[in-house]
Parts: sequence; C-alpha cells; structure tokens
Amino acid sequence: NAGVTQTPKFRILKIGQSMTLQCTQDMNHNYMYWYRQDPGMGLKLIYYSVGAGITDKGEVPNGYNVSRSTTEDFPLRLELAAPSQTSVYFCASSYPTGGQSSYNSPLHFGNGTRLTVT
Amino acid sequence: GENVEQHPSTLSVQEGDSAVIKCTYSDSASNYFPWYKQELGKRPQLIIDIRSNVGEKKDQRIAVTLNKTAKHFSLHITETQPEDSAVYFCAETGNTPLVFGKGTRLSVIA
Repeated sequence: NAGVTQTPKFRILKIGQSMTLQCTQDMNHNYMYWYRQDPGMGLKLIYYSVGAGITDKGEVPNGYNVSRSTTEDFPLRLELAAPSQTSVYFCASSYPTGGQSSYNSPLHFGNGTRLTVT
Repeated sequence: GENVEQHPSTLSVQEGDSAVIKCTYSDSASNYFPWYKQELGKRPQLIIDIRSNVGEKKDQRIAVTLNKTAKHFSLHITETQPEDSAVYFCAETGNTPLVFGKGTRLSVIA
C-alpha cells in the first residue's frame, strides 16, 4: 500500500491565484482530514470527511473548500490565495473503530505540501 | 476534543536521561490520547496512544500515563538517544476529530 499520497510537494502561488492540493489514500479509510501546520506550531484542522459525499468544517476553514466524491480522494481547493495561507498542509486518513462516528483511531499522514503565497 | 495545552514547548536533556512531556485537556468526553513524533521536514508519525480505560501503556523506552480525573496525560521517554530529537505532539479526541497540542521540541544532547 502507498498509504496517503499528497501532490504537489511544493508550490509557490501569487496572491489571488487558485490551486488544488491533491490527496489520495489506498487503505479504504472512511475518514479523511486536512490539517495545516504553521512554522513552530501544531496542526490545525481545516476540513474533514467521514465518507464519500460528506464534508465538515474544522477549526480554520475560511479560504478553503473540499469535496469527497470517492472514498480514496479528498482534494483541498484554495480559491484566492493569501499570504496567511502560507503553510505546510497535511492530509490524513483513519479507519474508525468503536462506533459509527468514532475518531479514536490513529491518523495516517501524507508527506505534506509546502505552500508559499507571495 | 476542545483544547489541549502542552508543556514544555522546548526540552533539552543529556543523552541517557529521561524526558517527560505533559498535556492537559478540558473535554470530559475525550477518550483517546495519541502522541506523534515529527522529525524535521517530515510528517507526524504515531509513536504511542492510550485509551480512557487504561491508566498507563509502555512500548520499550516510551510510556504514556493518563489521569482522567485531573484531565492530563504525559509522555515519558527513558534512556534518551540522539535520534529521539524531534518535535512531539499530543492530541486528544472524544466525539470530534483530533485536536493537537502546539508541540514540544526535544533536543537530546550527546
């Protein structure tokens, strides 16, 4: 299994440009997440999904959009890039245990996308 | 999970000494407490986790303790080695996605 795969690894955007960060997993995990990590900081949840067709906002959703048309893919869209979106973006997935809406299982992270907006 | 405080933010220890990192949380519904290690430029990776029905868990040189009454849990690394140098994140969850602490930068000095 490849696990969680993110593309691209690096990207530089100009203010106002748009882009999509790709994330795919081959572990048949129901749950998928997007986190951002600013320098020297922890991970903040942007959006998450508990299954195909279902998405929910996390702590910092403004300026982003997601979709979940398949179990495998969970792309993150930036519509009008701003310098405040300069960060490292991690996609993750998990397989819920202990109930239908359970988050208490390990996250499997992708290698991240380092985004700079100038 | 709602909020998790992690201390200290930086920690330096001599090789062979022990390191302890502590996290406190506020959500009484929290029932899962993982710890992640992140090396420079890499992704976070799970090193150990504990569930609310257990007070302590060990895996070789790493242990985690949980005090549900006081709402805190701690990571203990014994006999530290230079390769333990990294940033460590605690996290917690109950009925919502994982909430992470801000991290502890551990430096093991040879």
